[in-house]
Amino acid sequence: DTGVSQDPRHKITKRGQNVTFRCDPISEHNRLYWYRQTLGQGPEFLTYFQNEAQLEKSRLLSDRFSAERPKGSFSTLEIQRTEQGDSAMYLCASSPGQGGVMGNQPQHFGDGTRLSIL
Amino acid sequence: AQKVTQAQTEISVVEKEDVTLDCVYETRDTTYYLFWYKQPPSGELVFLIRRNSFDEQNEISGRYSWNFQKSTSSFNFTITASQVVDSAVYFCALSAPYSGAGSYQLTFGKGTKLSVIP
Repeated sequence: DTGVSQDPRHKITKRGQNVTFRCDPISEHNRLYWYRQTLGQGPEFLTYFQNEAQLEKSRLLSDRFSAERPKGSFSTLEIQRTEQGDSAMYLCASSPGQGGVMGNQPQHFGDGTRLSIL
Repeated sequence: AQKVTQAQTEISVVEKEDVTLDCVYETRDTTYYLFWYKQPPSGELVFLIRRNSFDEQNEISGRYSWNFQKSTSSFNFTITASQVVDSAVYFCALSAPYSGAGSYQLTFGKGTKLSVIP
């Protein structure tokens, strides 16, 4: 079990640029989540994948955000035309489970990607 | 809608003191799951415990114990004989299988920052 891996750890970019983050979940986990955490707050849900299907998106996920999980393995989160308000820690989490009441297993988090917008 | 409230923003204790972190939750679901996560200064969220709504037994794991009371919608966390290594931000979180598209997304509180002073 190598844990959830996120890359890069830190990203500094100018306002208006596009950025892409990568998440490699624990290999046998079919459920993958993206969260955003700002200073002094708890993480907030952004989107959820079961295998390669993106099944849920938060209203926080504006049109400038897009996420993919091709082949149900790693995932990418892209932010286009970044804004100051996008500065945050972006966390990826994964868990096993096929759904249903018994499908809720603890989510395991990566170290996150800290995004700073200049 | 789900809500988790951690009223204590910051707590400081002297090493070896006991400390209790409070968590109050709101949900309309009858089946739900409660979690505690630890976020040390390094940033990674570390899973501590999961409880489901139909199991109100308290749990003890070493110096950690959890008190789940459905009647007051609370899930409090006690650290006995605190140590400097316990210094971190602790998050309480809630998920429910029938919210959203079955994602079991976590709704987090704002966290309690615990500082253990040697």
